[in-house]
Amino acid sequence: NAGVTQTPKFQVLKTGQSMTLQCAQDMNHEYMSWYRQDPGMGLRLIHYSVGAGITDQGEVPNGYNVSRSTTEDFPLRLLSAAPSQTSVYFCASSGVSGNTIYFGEGSWLTVV
Amino acid sequence: GENVEQHPSTLSVQEGDSAVIKCTYSDSASNYFPWYKQELGKRPQLIIDIRSNVGEKKDQRIAVTLNKTAKHFSLHITETQPEDSAVYFCAASIVAAGNKLTFGGGTRVLVKP
Repeated sequence: NAGVTQTPKFQVLKTGQSMTLQCAQDMNHEYMSWYRQDPGMGLRLIHYSVGAGITDQGEVPNGYNVSRSTTEDFPLRLLSAAPSQTSVYFCASSGVSGNTIYFGEGSWLTVV
Repeated sequence: GENVEQHPSTLSVQEGDSAVIKCTYSDSASNYFPWYKQELGKRPQLIIDIRSNVGEKKDQRIAVTLNKTAKHFSLHITETQPEDSAVYFCAASIVAAGNKLTFGGGTRVLVKP
């Protein structure tokens, strides 16, 4: 049982490039979400999903896309990277019956 | 949407003293309130949580209280130790709406030996 797995852990992008942050969980959780954390701040919700095929926007969705084709995977796509997207990204999951939210280890993204 | 405010932003205490962090929330529908400890370069780590049908919860040196009427909740750490030094975040969510969290701005706690 690996929990929530994120890849890559570190990435440097040039402005305008696109990339996908991968997130997978093996706990059969219905709920999955992506957060970003800027230096000295709390986490902010980018997108979330309540089940396969269902996604919705969070507080800061601009510049990001998500899809949820399976229960296990919830990738986050940066369409055209900008320096303002330099941040640490955390994926999280939880079940519908339990409150505990499990976080991945984070992905450090730098856009130059 | 939900708004969570957290105070203080920094807290320095002497080892053995108590630390208290307070949060307020705006959405009365929120029903799950976790507290996370985050060390530098690490993921948030759940230290304690409380549901809206409970007023207080304790786990060893850590306790959380919730006042639904006033829409605020607090974290209490007793007998602080140097390893308690970290950034602490409060958060609120509505479980049935996807359990998506709204975080407070964080409190940097420094426990001086």
